[in-house]
Amino acid sequence: ETGVTQTPRHLVMGMTNKKSLKCEQHLGHNAMYWYKQSAKKPLELMFVYSLEERVENNSVPSRFSPECPNSSHLFLHLHTLQPEDSALYLCASSQDLGGATGELFFGEGSRLTVL
Amino acid sequence: AQSVTQLDSHVSVSEGTPVLLRCNYSSSYSPSLFWYVQHPNKGLQLLLKYTSAATLVKGINGFEAEFKKSETSFHLTKPSAHMSDAAEYFCVVISSTSGTYKYIFGTGTRLKVLA
Repeated sequence: ETGVTQTPRHLVMGMTNKKSLKCEQHLGHNAMYWYKQSAKKPLELMFVYSLEERVENNSVPSRFSPECPNSSHLFLHLHTLQPEDSALYLCASSQDLGGATGELFFGEGSRLTVL
Repeated sequence: AQSVTQLDSHVSVSEGTPVLLRCNYSSSYSPSLFWYVQHPNKGLQLLLKYTSAATLVKGINGFEAEFKKSETSFHLTKPSAHMSDAAEYFCVVISSTSGTYKYIFGTGTRLKVLA
């Protein structure tokens, strides 16, 4: 079983749909992250959770709504998205929030296309 | 504040020849530095990390990187490129501000390996 699992791997949705991305980590980590990766742009940090509490929200539009019901699961709820939201959404986890040496473990991403 | 600069957005090498992917960092203290690799439609995988131990760091798949404080560099090298090395590579530094740590990603270098 891989350390960080994301579902679905691919998602196509219309602008009026509501869908969710799911992330599950099997590493016993305490921090989880959502990143957005668009073509020709640097990786963008969207949300950070530590011990199920949101600790960072980087000016992300409200059409993206994260949820962290426990330290192993992280969701990204999507509604009324725009075509420019089409991207690869990456989930990551780390042992703890921050720290000077900890590494991030990434899932394989969910490729989202908004029509 | 800490930052990283990847000097080349694209690098092409022939199979069997050396690989050099360049990264310069900016940090007011001894940084933690990472290299990640991303194959097409996949998540990011850790190649190697430097956390103030040995300056020459060996990673997976024959890659290594050398931390050079005098040059503020952390270049990634491999003696002999393989077709499977074709991917995007990201240099990452951990940034610390008032006890809060963040992962700062470079813009990536796409490596092409020619047969």
